[in-house]
Amino acid sequence: QQQVKQSPQSLIVQKGGISIINCAYENTAFDYFPWYQQFPGKGPALLIAIRPDVSEKKEGRFTISFNKSAKQFSLHIMDSQPGDSATYFCAASYSGNTPLVFGKGTRLSVIA
Amino acid sequence: DAGVIQSPRHEVTEMGQEVTLRCKPISGHDYLFWYRQTMMRGLELLIYFNNNVPIDDSGMPEDRFSAKMPNASFSTLKIQPSEPRDSAVYFCASSFWQPNSPLHFGNGTRLTVT
Repeated sequence: QQQVKQSPQSLIVQKGGISIINCAYENTAFDYFPWYQQFPGKGPALLIAIRPDVSEKKEGRFTISFNKSAKQFSLHIMDSQPGDSATYFCAASYSGNTPLVFGKGTRLSVIA
Repeated sequence: DAGVIQSPRHEVTEMGQEVTLRCKPISGHDYLFWYRQTMMRGLELLIYFNNNVPIDDSGMPEDRFSAKMPNASFSTLKIQPSEPRDSAVYFCASSFWQPNSPLHFGNGTRLTVT
């Protein structure tokens, strides 16, 4: 049973465009929603995270939008660059330091 | 800080052989996690430890898999006997005990079982 569903599986975006990756969750107890970025040959690394008391969090070109009622959250990458080409994972967990549950990942390719 | 260190980076073995993957977490981290990554299933949590004690191993796929953490600076994941369907990238990650502390992943071990 997949607790966090991520889409799309792969995404191709032109340089300078907006990349959007979506995730949906079932467990309403989740209260922490991070995004991890993984480059080829490397382990995932924390990119940005949000808690459900806010609807949006922005860090540079990366923004998380959170919709609690719809149980959905998304990652927006503005002005996408070839260096953003990577696999992105959404994840969720709930208080008490429970392990993260990851989505299946989205492979993003930004082409010039 | 050298980060989480995993060895070997690549392992190719024949079906039926024993495989041991190794991990050195970041010093001071209280939690250690073993994940498996495949195209079909994404990142799956296999087992995690808190202060060297296994907390949840419900993600370990079969009895062929076992993990140990004899001390705070070392953990192993063993597969015996290995099967072709075990081929995947295995990641070790560590974190502090505080809720929602970031996971720090190693660069993984790519296992190929022929």
